[in-house]
Amino acid sequence: AQTVTQSQPEMSVQEAETVTLSCTYDTSESDYYLFWYKQPPSRQMILVIRQEAYKQQNATENRFSVNFQKAAKSFSLKISDSQLGDAAMYFCAYRSGGGGSQGNLIFGKGTKLSVKP
Amino acid sequence: DAGITQSPRHKVTETGTPVTLRCHQTENHRYMYWYRQDPGHGLRLIHYSYGVKDTDKGEVSDGYSVSRSKTEDFLLTLESATSSQTSVYFCAIRGGGRGPTYTQYFGPGTRLTVL
Repeated sequence: AQTVTQSQPEMSVQEAETVTLSCTYDTSESDYYLFWYKQPPSRQMILVIRQEAYKQQNATENRFSVNFQKAAKSFSLKISDSQLGDAAMYFCAYRSGGGGSQGNLIFGKGTKLSVKP
Repeated sequence: DAGITQSPRHKVTETGTPVTLRCHQTENHRYMYWYRQDPGHGLRLIHYSYGVKDTDKGEVSDGYSVSRSKTEDFLLTLESATSSQTSVYFCAIRGGGRGPTYTQYFGPGTRLTVL
């Protein structure tokens, strides 16, 4: 069974600085997707960024980028120029590339990010 | 934003009472999911649906049942609520195919308290 591990329960960053959140996963599959979701105090789960395992290029979305190391099974999220609105819980998630139940998301336990003004 | 609503948004109930949570989508997506979120556990899958009347169990399905009689609605029922089912419940949807349509989008959540 696949597992997702976020080893940093809490992190803190100064406004305008850069922070990296870690995520590792365990799988024997070669076809899969990885995601980072943000959950602010409003509780809404918001997709931040996604990565297809077959793509070697790291995904980027504005100030958010990932460092995808397939061999190491690592998928870290880098937030550049941190803003107060980035303060939230961040979840890493894995899903198989297959259909049916293989397509269900498996979540890590989350990292709570604080942003200091 | 994906068109997903959940009702009710908050509910307080007593142990032993039945509770039904509703998820409604306007995206005509095939797949729908129910998760629960508890401190220290992230989100865990309760049940999911891959079409009308087609459902299957997730990781934490005991004590829950689901129904999907229409594409747009996915109901989660707690037949006899227990305090251990106090949680935040999220519905999610996704389309079929590959690429971005494989992404799950979440509803706003329902906070359920069982006294």
